[in-house]
Amino acid sequence: DQQVKQNSPSLSVQEGRISILNCDYTNSMFDYFLWYKKYPAEGPTFLISISSIKDKNEDGRFTVFLNKSAKHLSLHIVPSQPGDSAVYFCAVNSGTYKYIFGTGTRLKVLA
Amino acid sequence: GAGVSQSPSNKVTEKGKDVELRCDPISGHTALYWYRQSLGQGLEFLIYFQGNSAPDKSGLPSDRFSAERTGGSVSTLTIQRTQQEDSAVYLCASSWTSDHNEQFFGPGTRLTVL
Repeated sequence: DQQVKQNSPSLSVQEGRISILNCDYTNSMFDYFLWYKKYPAEGPTFLISISSIKDKNEDGRFTVFLNKSAKHLSLHIVPSQPGDSAVYFCAVNSGTYKYIFGTGTRLKVLA
Repeated sequence: GAGVSQSPSNKVTEKGKDVELRCDPISGHTALYWYRQSLGQGLEFLIYFQGNSAPDKSGLPSDRFSAERTGGSVSTLTIQRTQQEDSAVYLCASSWTSDHNEQFFGPGTRLTVL
């Protein structure tokens, strides 16, 4: 029973275009959401987060959108760059110490 | 500054052997997590340490798995009598506290059980 789903295992985007990565969750009690990026042979690194009191958070080229009614989270990267090629994980938290991670989406940005 | 380090980076072992995986968290971080990532899967929570509190071991998949955190710093994950299904990347993460804090991950240990 997956509480956090990333239904697209992979995504290819042309350099300069927008990348949109999606994440769906099942529990409306989740109140904090994060995106991590992972390069091969490295651990995940924190990218951006959003709390449930907001519906958008922006940091440079990265914007996270939260649709609480749809229990849907998305990460927009614009413009996409080849260095953005990595696996992206969404993670959710319900105010405790436990984070639940999705299975990841492999983004490939084509030069 | 130093990040989270893990050793070894790669471990190949034979089925039935015991293995120990080590994690050095960022100095001052009180929360420490172990996760496992099997091929094609997300990060699976294994165990959580917070300061001197009793750890949450609810994610450990079997009693062959155990973990310690000595002196509130270094942690060791031990897998006894390894099985082929234990093959995965084992990731350690630490954070300042636990609530709504970004976790800093180590590079992981890739365990292969033959």
